[in-house]
Amino acid sequence: EAQVTQNPRYLITVTGKKLTVTCSQNMNHEYMSWYRQDPGLGLRQIYYSMNVEVTDKGDVPEGYKVSRKEKRNFPLILESPSPNQTSLYFCASRGTLRETGNTIYFGEGSWLTVV
Amino acid sequence: SQKIEQNSEALNIQEGKTATLTCNYTNYSPAYLQWYRQDPGRGPVFLLLIRENEKEKRKERLKVTFDTTLKQSLFHITASQPADSATYLCALGGYALNFGKGTSLLVTP
Repeated sequence: EAQVTQNPRYLITVTGKKLTVTCSQNMNHEYMSWYRQDPGLGLRQIYYSMNVEVTDKGDVPEGYKVSRKEKRNFPLILESPSPNQTSLYFCASRGTLRETGNTIYFGEGSWLTVV
Repeated sequence: SQKIEQNSEALNIQEGKTATLTCNYTNYSPAYLQWYRQDPGRGPVFLLLIRENEKEKRKERLKVTFDTTLKQSLFHITASQPADSATYLCALGGYALNFGKGTSLLVTP
């Protein structure tokens, strides 16, 4: 089954304590990205990666890091989380326009609370 | 600047009626437009894609239209059911897809 899997699904952490949200996809997609979703603001892209070792900033990259060492994995790193990073996070991957019409497949989401 | 606008007010309709949701955009020249469904606390799920040279696309009870002159897409759900209640997002752009904020649909029995 085609899947984007992210962990943890729920996390409460304290300000300044580094955390990593993992993301893995089993569709051999080259493109992966991270979004955050906040009430009234919709989905906003944090970072994206067009392929292994290629990453770029989205609309709201401040306070986040990513890495793409393998095609299937795209972890999101919060080096020093702050309360304004409390949000619902989605990892996503995408095939090519020819294969899937650039359809995006989303993970189930990770609820992150920073206190 | 580029904008994708969806009606922020929730749409409430009765079961069996047709729901119509609107997506307007500015400062885009999209080659295609997509619609997604999102249930509370869940990731969006792809529904339909329509290309710029297609006026209309159908999938079961869903129909999407795309008017590049008006810069607008309409999303229709015919014979709506309570299970169709969700938030519907339109998305467009190039390599980096941008999403509208979505319209919440509530179908009551």
